[in-house]
Amino acid sequence: GAVVSQHPSRVICKSGTSVKIECRSLDFQATTMFWYRQFPKKSLMLMATSNEGSKATYEQGVEKDKFLINHASLTLSTLTVTSAHPEDSSFYICSARGGGTMKTTDTQYFGPGTRLTVL
Amino acid sequence: AQSVAQPEDQVNVAEGNPLTVKCTYSVSGNPYLFWYVQYPNRGLQFLLKYITGDNLVKGSYGFEAEFNKSQTSFHLKKPSALVSDSALYFCAVRDRRRNNNDMRFGAGTRLTVKP
Repeated sequence: GAVVSQHPSRVICKSGTSVKIECRSLDFQATTMFWYRQFPKKSLMLMATSNEGSKATYEQGVEKDKFLINHASLTLSTLTVTSAHPEDSSFYICSARGGGTMKTTDTQYFGPGTRLTVL
Repeated sequence: AQSVAQPEDQVNVAEGNPLTVKCTYSVSGNPYLFWYVQYPNRGLQFLLKYITGDNLVKGSYGFEAEFNKSQTSFHLKKPSALVSDSALYFCAVRDRRRNNNDMRFGAGTRLTVKP
């Protein structure tokens, strides 16, 4: 139980295009979802937190107009990187925490990540 | 605000030997503490957590961790390491206050288990 999927796992795009990454909680309802960015050999950097049906809360320094987050349902959140540039190339990981049992309310569960490469 | 320190970038152990990956934390209230493992090009997998109760927490794949309030530590341990345990390990802390979404991760410790 408590599985989070992410799609796509890998994407290569041209500079200036937009890329959408989906994050789904497969067997629990995710009241809160998180988006992280990870640089090589570095820890995770929290980009934003979203609650279902509410606007996302962005961390300082993260451009909300560039990284659009939608948490439209209790099982789906999307991150859209708009007008992507090479410096946006990174490993993006989503995470979900939910209602229900202690297992999902206390613990964040992570997706497998999406490797974005912007040419 | 909470923070986590993983003082070792790298830990090397021989297969079959015990392993310890260190973690200390700072939080104003009572902590939720977590260990996650990350394999190359993958997301984080949950290993174990301390919420309340016994200070010794047992988790997946034979790992355990001991919550030590006086030393503000939550070191990850395993009695006998396997080569397949080689990965990047992250400690994380969240303040137990209700609705606190702010979970902080350590910088990560790369564990290498040699045959």
